[in-house]
Amino acid sequence: GQSLEQPSEVTAVEGAIVQINCTYQTSGFYGLSWYQQHDGGAPTFLSYNALDGLEETGRFSSFLSRSDSYGYLLLQELQMKDSASYFCAVRDDDYKLSFGAGTTVTVRA
Amino acid sequence: GAVVSQHPSRVICKSGTSVKIECRSLDFQATTMFWYRQFPKKSLMLMATSNEGSKATYEQGVEKDKFLINHASLTLSTLTVTSAHPEDSSFYICSVKYGLNTDTQYFGPGTRLTVL
Repeated sequence: GQSLEQPSEVTAVEGAIVQINCTYQTSGFYGLSWYQQHDGGAPTFLSYNALDGLEETGRFSSFLSRSDSYGYLLLQELQMKDSASYFCAVRDDDYKLSFGAGTTVTVRA
Repeated sequence: GAVVSQHPSRVICKSGTSVKIECRSLDFQATTMFWYRQFPKKSLMLMATSNEGSKATYEQGVEKDKFLINHASLTLSTLTVTSAHPEDSSFYICSVKYGLNTDTQYFGPGTRLTVL
């Protein structure tokens, strides 16, 4: 089975940097994904790491260390619109995703 | 990416009735769609995998006779909650697996079901 752990809440001010960690235990690993979900909305795909290292997409970056079963999502230059829930996810052989419990990011002015 | 729609966005029904939720892939032919449910402030829980032209695959603990899934075309999957009860009230979200060998899924906007 799959098991993912991430912090439940993070609060930061506008312009700050936030790092959301995710540790996982999986029977087979094919990559770590990150999704953003605003209140009442649909999850939207942010990033995907299959190999070790850092992937940068604008203000958001994602990192993976397969040997440590660990990844993180880095949110830079925080904006109010970044207030949302962020989920890490892993998939299995059948491309089914298992999600972490989610991290609620609150950005304050 | 893929554009996914769901209908209805919100539905309120009486206990004992059945509710059908549609998930459409508007710009991509999806052989595989997924159905999730999400309780408030909780994570997404996979309910079933919907495969075009074949029976859906249900996750452990999900009653297939209660949550009927039909994937009759490459652009449409439906989830029918039969004999709904208040405990079925939840946010139901579908997703499309985008491409053959990809981890990326594109999600519909979700359907808020409230059973009175």
